[in-house]
Amino acid sequence: KAGVTQTPRYLIKTRGQQVTLSCSPISGHRSVSWYQQTPGQGLQFLFEYFSETQRNKGNFPGRFSGRQFSNSRSEMNVSTLELGDSALYLCASSLGTSGRTGELFFGEGSRLTVL
Amino acid sequence: SQQGEEDPQALSIQEGENATMNCSYKTSINNLQWYRQNSGRGLVHLILIRSNEREKHSGRLRVTLDTSKKSSSLLITASRAADTASYFCATALSSGSARQLTFGSGTQLTVLP
Repeated sequence: KAGVTQTPRYLIKTRGQQVTLSCSPISGHRSVSWYQQTPGQGLQFLFEYFSETQRNKGNFPGRFSGRQFSNSRSEMNVSTLELGDSALYLCASSLGTSGRTGELFFGEGSRLTVL
Repeated sequence: SQQGEEDPQALSIQEGENATMNCSYKTSINNLQWYRQNSGRGLVHLILIRSNEREKHSGRLRVTLDTSKKSSSLLITASRAADTASYFCATALSSGSARQLTFGSGTQLTVLP
């Protein structure tokens, strides 16, 4: 079974631009979560989608948004990029049918650098 | 804010020795999980322990959970150079925003050959 695939793996943007990151979950997984990892703040939850609906959202500004498609693939978008948005963005998938979060399967991440 | 704090922040041991990492958290949990991350890569799930469990084993891994002290420990026995990585505990809360994990700050483990 193929794992979680994230694209692109690396990208460089300048302040004020926007970026879209993509995530393809493991086949059969309907839940996709996004996390931001930075040296200063560690791993922080962004949002979680299940069957095209956002079920949970972390404490991030509205510049961070996401969506999920009918095939469970997900995208996240960051608009008006700031230097502090430089981070490793991790996508994780799971079956998502349990009431509580179980094991998550992570992709390799998208490393965003904002200049 | 981070639910879990890990101790120590960094640990360096010789191959063959055991490594113990500790995690403390603040609120009631449904389960606690441990993940490993090699430098700049994604996280790999190691083990999940539910709030009604006290100890769990998986290969060379042993996890304990003390809900009265809101703490967990991860023991890696007979460590290998390939175990060099960052280790994170993550909690799923028992109420409220249950569909997310809250990660600790991580322990950087270095196993010297």
